[in-house]
Amino acid sequence: GIQVEQSPPDLILQEGANSTLRCNFSDSVNNLQWFHQNPWGQLINLFYIPSGTKQNGRLSATTVATERYSLLYISSSQTTDSGVYFCAVVPLADRGSTLGRLYFGRGTQLTVWP
Amino acid sequence: GAVVSQHPSWVICKSGTSVKIECRSLDFQATTMFWYRQFPKQSLMLMATSNEGSKATYEQGVEKDKFLINHASLTLSTLTVTSAHPEDSSFYICSAPSVAHTFGSGTRLTVV
Repeated sequence: GIQVEQSPPDLILQEGANSTLRCNFSDSVNNLQWFHQNPWGQLINLFYIPSGTKQNGRLSATTVATERYSLLYISSSQTTDSGVYFCAVVPLADRGSTLGRLYFGRGTQLTVWP
Repeated sequence: GAVVSQHPSWVICKSGTSVKIECRSLDFQATTMFWYRQFPKQSLMLMATSNEGSKATYEQGVEKDKFLINHASLTLSTLTVTSAHPEDSSFYICSAPSVAHTFGSGTRLTVV
């Protein structure tokens, strides 16, 4: 199956710093999502971004589908940004539908200190 | 936006008993739902794909008789952990796809 690799595995920042999280995937995709898992386990959808660039407040994401990677940018980080960030994809080969199962990376554990 | 409700949020049960977890799509219909399991400090692992009106599709290594899935309507899928044992203790979370995948809030199961 498709391989999804995230880096770095761990990231420790001081409040106010900026960061970039990376997601590489081994095959073409027709769906890519970034999630934030908070300490209670909830998975919050940050971006649905199979290609292109999107921004939402202090967060932005870019997916370069032809080169098989996506980046999540966090600017002016806050303590509430702490948690695990997951990248997940649906391979293009999976029935050609965005509704197929997601394949997850191992996540990036982000800790933001005050 | 799409909302998925999952209940209960947490449950503690005795070894040997069964536990049912519900996953509902509140404002959209879902012919397919997905059930994942997550161990501490690990990623999400797909357990099974729930299909409305037909049998679920289980991933390799997942016991069909232990993890019973029922998708009786376009808005409800249930996962029943039968004869639970301490090794079944985990975080279970469902998702339903609309344009993007939306996740329930998860269920933390502790078997004592």
